[in-house]
Amino acid sequence: DAKTTQPNSMESNEEEPVHLPCNHSTISGTDYIHWYRQLPSQGPEYVIHGLTSNVNNRMASLAIAEDRKSSTLILHRATLRDAAVYYCILRDGTGTASKLTFGTGTRLQVTL
Amino acid sequence: GAVVSQHPSRVICKSGTSVKIECRSLDFQATTMFWYRQFPKQSLMLMATSNEGSKATYEQGVEKDKFLINHASLTLSTLTVTSAHPEDSSFYICSAGNYLAPNEQFFGPGTRLTVL
Repeated sequence: DAKTTQPNSMESNEEEPVHLPCNHSTISGTDYIHWYRQLPSQGPEYVIHGLTSNVNNRMASLAIAEDRKSSTLILHRATLRDAAVYYCILRDGTGTASKLTFGTGTRLQVTL
Repeated sequence: GAVVSQHPSRVICKSGTSVKIECRSLDFQATTMFWYRQFPKQSLMLMATSNEGSKATYEQGVEKDKFLINHASLTLSTLTVTSAHPEDSSFYICSAGNYLAPNEQFFGPGTRLTVL
């Protein structure tokens, strides 16, 4: 599996934008870039995913570099409820049987 | 929609006993479910892929005789930790895919196992 590299931790002030980077220099052509987050003592939840183009949804935006070797998850206005570990994951293809391999993730702290 | 539940949420057992953890997809059918283990302050580690009606596929280094997986229906997969020992104490999480949203995995809330 192609690997991802993320900073161990980041801090943000509430109501400010947050940019969470992810490097994936060995990404293959069939790898989708997925982001999940895990709140304390809970299972992960899906945030967003993309292949080549930038993506937006109600939770976040995903900016993908033109060479696809890096991406950035953007939370437009961080709230205290966004404090979590954010995982950037490369997933080969699509479909319900395609597994996820979690890396170490970025622990986001949000302060008032 | 696409809710995954786990039961129990917490379990404490004595060393040497077996513990069964259930993972249910409440409002969708899942032919494939995944089981993960997470130690404190660490990331999730995929243990196995559970396939309805067939044998599970285990990741390298995971003992299939110790972690028994049964996926007897399209809404239920079970993980049995046999002859549990303190080092098996961990947070066990399952996930399932919904064909209506094939790009997402839906995760259960997790089961915290403590082996005394």
